[in-house]
Order: sequence, then C-alpha cells, then structure tokens
Amino acid sequence: EAGVAQSPRYKIIEKRQSVAFWCNPISGHATLYWYQQILGQGPKLLIQFQNNGVVDDSQLPKDRFSAERLKGVDSTLKIQPAKLEDSAVYLCASSSLKGLAGVPRTQYFGPGTRLLVL
Amino acid sequence: QQQVKQSPQSLIVQKGGISIINCAYENTAFDYFPWYQQFPGKGPALLIAIRPDVSEKKEGRFTISFNKSAKQFSLHIMDSQPGDSATYFCAAKRANYGQNFVFGPGTRLSVLP
Repeated sequence: EAGVAQSPRYKIIEKRQSVAFWCNPISGHATLYWYQQILGQGPKLLIQFQNNGVVDDSQLPKDRFSAERLKGVDSTLKIQPAKLEDSAVYLCASSSLKGLAGVPRTQYFGPGTRLLVL
Repeated sequence: QQQVKQSPQSLIVQKGGISIINCAYENTAFDYFPWYQQFPGKGPALLIAIRPDVSEKKEGRFTISFNKSAKQFSLHIMDSQPGDSATYFCAAKRANYGQNFVFGPGTRLSVLP
C-alpha cells in the first residue's frame, strides 16, 4: 500500500511570495489533514477534510492560508502572502473512516514539505 | 488547557537501557493519548496509544503508563536500541472532538551503541 505522497519536499521563497503544497492521501482514505510543524515543536492541525468537506479549520490563519480538496482525493494548501514565521514543515496525513467503534482512526503522515521563508 | 507538556527535551541512553519520556496535561476532556515516533525527514508514525480507563499498555518493548489522577502519562522503551533514535511526541485528543490531536513539543532520543 502506497503511503501519503507530498510535493515538493523542499521550498524556499521570499516573504510576501505565494506557495502551494500538494498532497495525495492513501487510496480510499476519506479524511485528510494538514499540519504545520515548526522546528522544535509538535505538529499543529491546520485543517481537516472529510471527503471534500471541511470538518475543522479553526486553527487555519484564513487571512493568508487556504486549502481545498475538490474531488475528495488530492489536496492543496496555499499560503499567500508568506511571512517569515510560516517557515516550518507542512505535513499531510490521512485516515480511513473504517475501524473499531469509539477508537480514533490512525493517521498516516506523509514526509512533509519543508518551507523556508526568507 | 489545550497544552500537552513533555519532558525531557532530549535524552541520551545507552544501548540496552530504559528510555522514559513524560507528558502532562490539564484538560480532563482528553480521552485518548497516543505516542508518535518521527525519524528525520519522515512524518510521525503512531507507536502506541492508551485510553484513560487503563493504567498501562504494553506493545513489545514499548509501554505507556497512565496516571489519571495526576494527569500524567509516560512512554517507557525497554532494551533501547540505536534504531529507536528518533523524536517522540505525546499527544491527546478531546472526547467527541473528531480527530483533532494536540501534540507535545517532542523529545529527541539518542541511543548510543
């Protein structure tokens, strides 16, 4: 079973520029997550999709961040315009809807995109 | 109240030794506590998880100990191996709050050969 794919793996941009990240989840996984992981910190959830609908985007800075999952499979996360503090690893994860009742679904993470904003 | 505190920040253990990482939380609404392992250049991977109605869970060399009254939980790695060298994150999820996990800041473990 192929894992979660992300691209690009690395991106360097200057502040105020725009950037987009792409994620392809594990086949059949209905739920997709985007996390921001700042160096030395744990991942922070930015947005969660179930199929093509947003379940939770309470921690997404909506003035500059946007995300979409139009066909319920691939997803893109965009930052426009980028700030220095956006330098981080952006992780995509996916999980299946199937599983034992009452047990949180295991989230499978991709390798991440490392963003450096200069 | 949404924070999960984790210590130590880094840990060095000799091969064969026991690695212990501790986490603490404040929000009593948390009902699921997983541990993730992350190797450099990789995403985190679920290692082991526990619910607060259980005081201990063991899977191979990995054990979670949970103290509900103290609102603390810890990861024990028995017979630590150089291949265990990674960053470990504890996390917590609120009951009836979907799949939104709050992660600790991480512990970088180095196991010396």
